[in-house]
Amino acid sequence: EAGVAQSPRYKIIEKRQSVAFWCNPISGHATLYWYQQILGQGPKLLIQFQNNGVVDDSQLPKDRFSAERLKGVDSTLKIQPAKLEDSAVYLCASSLSNTIYFGEGSWLTVV
Amino acid sequence: GENVEQHPSTLSVQEGDSAVIKCTYSDSASNYFPWYKQELGKRPQLIIDIRSNVGEKKDQRIAVTLNKTAKHFSLHITETQPEDSAVYFCAASIGQAGTALIFGKGTTLSVSS
Repeated sequence: EAGVAQSPRYKIIEKRQSVAFWCNPISGHATLYWYQQILGQGPKLLIQFQNNGVVDDSQLPKDRFSAERLKGVDSTLKIQPAKLEDSAVYLCASSLSNTIYFGEGSWLTVV
Repeated sequence: GENVEQHPSTLSVQEGDSAVIKCTYSDSASNYFPWYKQELGKRPQLIIDIRSNVGEKKDQRIAVTLNKTAKHFSLHITETQPEDSAVYFCAASIGQAGTALIFGKGTTLSVSS
């Protein structure tokens, strides 16, 4: 079974630039999540989708972060403009029930 | 807001010893408690989970216990091996649908041979 796919794996940008990350969940998984993992910390939920609707985006910094899940499958997470503190791994995950499966993550460095 | 506290932050054991990691959670509505293992540069991987209607669950050398009254749950690894060295995260379900997770800050386990 294919896992959660993410791209790009690594990205370095300057502050105030923009970046977009893409995620393809496990086939058939209706729920998709974006988590932010800062070095040395646990993953922090940014946004949760159920099909193409937002379930929870209370932790998403909406002044600079946006996410969409058109057609209820793939999702993109965008950051514009980026700040130094956005340097982190952005983990996409999907689930069918409670069990959440993570992708390998997109590593972002903002310089 | 909801919170999960995890202790200790680092744990060093000799190969063959047992390791115990403890977590407490704040949301009384949480009903699902997974544990993830994350090796350096890799994705978090689910190693065991427990639901609120169960007090203990075992899978070979790994066990998890849950005390809902005290809002505590713990991971027990017996007969540790060097390949158990990693960062371990506990998590608790949150949200209206109870399908998102809030994570602890992680425990770095080092097993020396």
